[in-house]
Amino acid sequence: DTEVTQTPKHLVMGMTNKKSLKCEQHMGHRAMYWYKQKAKKPPELMFVYSYEKLSINESVPSRFSPECPNSSLLNLHLHALQPEDSALYLCASSHSHEQYFGPGTRLTVT
Amino acid sequence: GEDVEQSLFLSVREGDSSVINCTYTDSSSTYLYWYKQEPGAGLQLLTYIFSNMDMKQDQRLTVLLNKKDKHLSLRIADTQTGDSAIYFCAEISDTGRRALTFGSGTRLQVQP
Repeated sequence: DTEVTQTPKHLVMGMTNKKSLKCEQHMGHRAMYWYKQKAKKPPELMFVYSYEKLSINESVPSRFSPECPNSSLLNLHLHALQPEDSALYLCASSHSHEQYFGPGTRLTVT
Repeated sequence: GEDVEQSLFLSVREGDSSVINCTYTDSSSTYLYWYKQEPGAGLQLLTYIFSNMDMKQDQRLTVLLNKKDKHLSLRIADTQTGDSAIYFCAEISDTGRRALTFGSGTRLQVQP
């Protein structure tokens, strides 16, 4: 089983809203990732958690706040987003080098 | 810095073979991957190759790696309409950074 789940599947939010994206895996993977993918572009790395600690932050604006409550869960808290933040947000996890992706959350900021 | 390039579009007829190409610049790449993305979906890991190998076959998929030229290819035999998707090559270097660098993606269109 190489399943990574993400909720919600779609999210529409205003620029003053606060929302959270959730990601879950039960494969015992100890590294988890957030990627952002704009239309017709490849995914771009945002954050990496390794053993529940933030190990990489790719200079992401502070309106995106990641959280790793335990080894199976990864959240992305969103606040005061801009319309240009509209994108597909992908979560991934890995045990060694193989990264497995979830289906993504399609975010629209109005 | 790292750079991964792919051609943007490939069209083939059902039953033919497809070959998707990728070039990369990072000489410290340890693993190279092929991912498939269907419309509105996440990325599916198709296969990968370790940098000390030159070929890997997995059912209809054949990966060829020319490390000297930094060239990677994915051959899909007997291409089906369900293979229509965007294919991304990606690499990870040996720096321990654990971050994938993706190519721009190749859209494969399979005509019946």
